[in-house]
Amino acid sequence: QKEVEQNSGPLSVPEGAIASLNCTYSDRGSQSFFWYRQYSGKSPELIMFIYSNGDKEDGRFTAQLNKASQYVSLLIRDSQPSDSATYLCAVKAGYSSASKIIFGSGTRLSIRP
Amino acid sequence: EAQVTQNPRYLITVTGKKLTVTCSQNMNHEYMSWYRQDPGLGLRQIYYSMNVEVTDKGDVPEGYKVSRKEKRNFPLILESPSPNQTSLYFCASTETGRGQETQYFGPGTRLLVL
Repeated sequence: QKEVEQNSGPLSVPEGAIASLNCTYSDRGSQSFFWYRQYSGKSPELIMFIYSNGDKEDGRFTAQLNKASQYVSLLIRDSQPSDSATYLCAVKAGYSSASKIIFGSGTRLSIRP
Repeated sequence: EAQVTQNPRYLITVTGKKLTVTCSQNMNHEYMSWYRQDPGLGLRQIYYSMNVEVTDKGDVPEGYKVSRKEKRNFPLILESPSPNQTSLYFCASTETGRGQETQYFGPGTRLLVL
């Protein structure tokens, strides 16, 4: 079983709709969770960082964390063609920056006009 | 401008010929990492460093070495490259504080080992 699992997609969503991306992780000791966006041929860039159970909102993006069920999700409201990218979920064991980070293999999202 | 730089961006080499990929950040970050990215496998952490002279293994350290003699630089060394090290490599530098943690990635180094 992979430590961080994501559906590879592609996930196709019509423009203006809500895109929902999911990620599950196996290490119950995980404390910090990240969503990165990566455009084709580019470097990953941080979209959301979350460490507390519940929702965290930033503009059109909402991250949802449920530690009991070991999943973290990313919702993108009012999806735009510019949101088409690969979304990487990442998990870290501790609160300190001195911990290993495990990435999922990514979900490819396509927003159709 | 805050940035992470890597050199070279592209490299073709032969099996066994030692090489170094440099990474430098100008943000005074303590924590830096190296990753490799392969199709279907996502990003895998090779090594990370918490500060000068402090490094630790990530998930896939075999065949790699790192050093952190200065805060801004974190070179990745392949002493004897093999074809299975053909990959896209990213260096990253982490900013923490105010309840936020952000990794800034370099532009990537595409390595081909023949």
